Amino acid sequence: AQSVTQLGSHVSVSEGALVLLRCNYSSSVPPYLFWYVQYPNQGLQLLLKYTTGATLVKGINGFEAEFKKSETSFHLTKPSAHMSDAAEYFCAVTGGSNYKLTFGKGTLLTVNP
Amino acid sequence: DVKVTQSSRYLVKRTGEKVFLECVQDMDHENMFWYRQDPGLGLRLIYFSYDVKMKEKGDIPEGYSVSREKKERFSLILESASTNQTSMYLCASKSFLPGELFFGEGSRLTVL
Repeated sequence: AQSVTQLGSHVSVSEGALVLLRCNYSSSVPPYLFWYVQYPNQGLQLLLKYTTGATLVKGINGFEAEFKKSETSFHLTKPSAHMSDAAEYFCAVTGGSNYKLTFGKGTLLTVNP
Repeated sequence: DVKVTQSSRYLVKRTGEKVFLECVQDMDHENMFWYRQDPGLGLRLIYFSYDVKMKEKGDIPEGYSVSREKKERFSLILESASTNQTSMYLCASKSFLPGELFFGEGSRLTVL
């Protein structure tokens, strides 16, 4: 069984500030972890993923995430927020040969000018 | 690039109507999925298919059925639509591991 918890359904930052979106997971097998972004009235787009190897993963649009096994976390960060980063962000986990991704409930990021 | 196409972006149906949501992918992916997205609830898996004519229930299959007659096409069927099925429906596909999903643009269904 696997699950994802995203801490904070809504995060608000100022333009230029650090973005930190939190994700904790549980998985009975070594996980694959993903962050997706959804802009209004669109589908989900992959930001980055962790499968194996390097625990610091870089994605599109300047985002990165670090897999911390001891903390069962996969937090998403960006050093400097831009107005175009305003969207909903979803963390997801899958494990082993499991076909299914399990998603968190999402975090809505607002960027203030 | 992988493309997942959902036939209708917006639909309005009446209670009791039969509703078909179509999804086509062009990357020869084995696995296809239907999710439902509601505010505050995230994405919930309705059904998925790992091969032609094969399907498995997800977390919330009640009131839905699916069809996969061809590898590239996966349909979601609401036999008798109800107002509580008003939602955004997202189709996705993927190949084998590491499990990245590719999503369509979504179909926003309103049942009156």
